[in-house]
Amino acid sequence: QVQLQESGPGLVKPSGTLSLTCTVSGGSISSYYWTWIRQPAGKGLEWIGRIYSSGSTIYNPSLKSRVTMSVDASRNQFSLKLNSVTAADTAVYYCARDASTVRGEFDHWGQGTLVTVSS
Amino acid sequence: DIQMTQSPSSLSTSVGDRVTISCRASQSISNYLNWYQQKPGKAPKLLIYAASSLQSGVPLRFTGSGSGTDFTLTISSLRPEDFATYYCQQSYSVPYTFGQGTKLEIK
Repeated sequence: QVQLQESGPGLVKPSGTLSLTCTVSGGSISSYYWTWIRQPAGKGLEWIGRIYSSGSTIYNPSLKSRVTMSVDASRNQFSLKLNSVTAADTAVYYCARDASTVRGEFDHWGQGTLVTVSS
Repeated sequence: DIQMTQSPSSLSTSVGDRVTISCRASQSISNYLNWYQQKPGKAPKLLIYAASSLQSGVPLRFTGSGSGTDFTLTISSLRPEDFATYYCQQSYSVPYTFGQGTKLEIK
């Protein structure tokens, strides 16, 4: 059974960089898209972007100027960096797997990690 | 971006009720529509993909229908564990977008 686990600092200072890693276990990172999604407290879900196992990326245009995703297949991990953060970036961040390279649904999710932007 | 609008935003229901949640896309998305269930403090769980395909392990009381711009999620007979928030998501074009959610509450 594929499992995903987010890790990284829970507190980031304003104007700093949010850095998260998602570790995939129980399956290979190869041949799938891997996605980051966030959810501010009490609000809906926002798709941040995705990375293919080869390293190609697509980002949400609303965040594109601040987002970088990368993949480390040797460690079965992929990562998110979001720079110039503000309080508006405070949210639970989820990593997820695209079940299909064609359809775009997310069949496996991490448990989520809360990142708070505050001084 | 494609806007996804769910209705209602919340619904007060009872165990055993039949429930229908609607999701409308701002443009045609064919059948690139997925449904998720989220319980407090948990990650969303995939229920339905491609508008009407049931994800493995999901109970048969959940069904999805629709195509183009209008979609529905139906729960045939609510069980206590179904009280949660439900989201639709379009995967027709990036950026993928979600509806605002429909919260099922116990009457």
